[in-house]
Amino acid sequence: NAGVTQTPKFQVLKTGQSMTLQCAQDMNHEYMSWYRQDPGMGLRLIHYSVGAGITDQGEVPNGYNVSRSTTEDFPLRLLSAAPSQTSVYFCASSPVDRVRGYTFGSGTRLTVV
Amino acid sequence: ELKVEQNPLFLSMQEGKNYTIYCNYSTTSDRLYWYRQDPGKSLESLFVLLSNGAVKQEGRLMASLDTKARLSTLHITAAVHDLSATYFCAVDLTSGSRLTFGEGTQLTVNP
Repeated sequence: NAGVTQTPKFQVLKTGQSMTLQCAQDMNHEYMSWYRQDPGMGLRLIHYSVGAGITDQGEVPNGYNVSRSTTEDFPLRLLSAAPSQTSVYFCASSPVDRVRGYTFGSGTRLTVV
Repeated sequence: ELKVEQNPLFLSMQEGKNYTIYCNYSTTSDRLYWYRQDPGKSLESLFVLLSNGAVKQEGRLMASLDTKARLSTLHITAAVHDLSATYFCAVDLTSGSRLTFGEGTQLTVNP
């Protein structure tokens, strides 16, 4: 099925460990973005990309890296996990015209202990 | 910096009643999106409002956009229990590519 696929769905990390959250879309969307959702704070933008090879920081980028080597994939890397990064992470994509809005993945629930 | 504010943040309604959720934003934009989120789930797109005066309706929900007032409303008509969820509005700038979200409105519809 066409859409945005995130893996893993759940992850538990120890403080200081690193990991990559995967995001892939098969709709040939130019725009992709990562958000974290914390209770009472809505969704906040971490990083975004307007196309392959182009990324930029959002509101809360510290502790995260991204790259976009292909149109389809936009992985999010946690360099050295901290308990403050415990959150639910969502990836989204959209075409340039955004006529149908942004499509979200199913999310990754991350716990850092 | 674009800021998006929703109110109320919590809304408890009786079935059959009407209510409106408000979404204000701080910077000129002609695009606004409404999403629904059920507990433990992802965001489901409800409405995409692309211009001033846009009005869209789906079932018991109707959304509108006034870009001059920087205000969108989500009106609920004759609420039913199945509408219980958290509703988010989100805005992107005309140049696009990413969203700024409101805090969300947690709606509970009671029998």
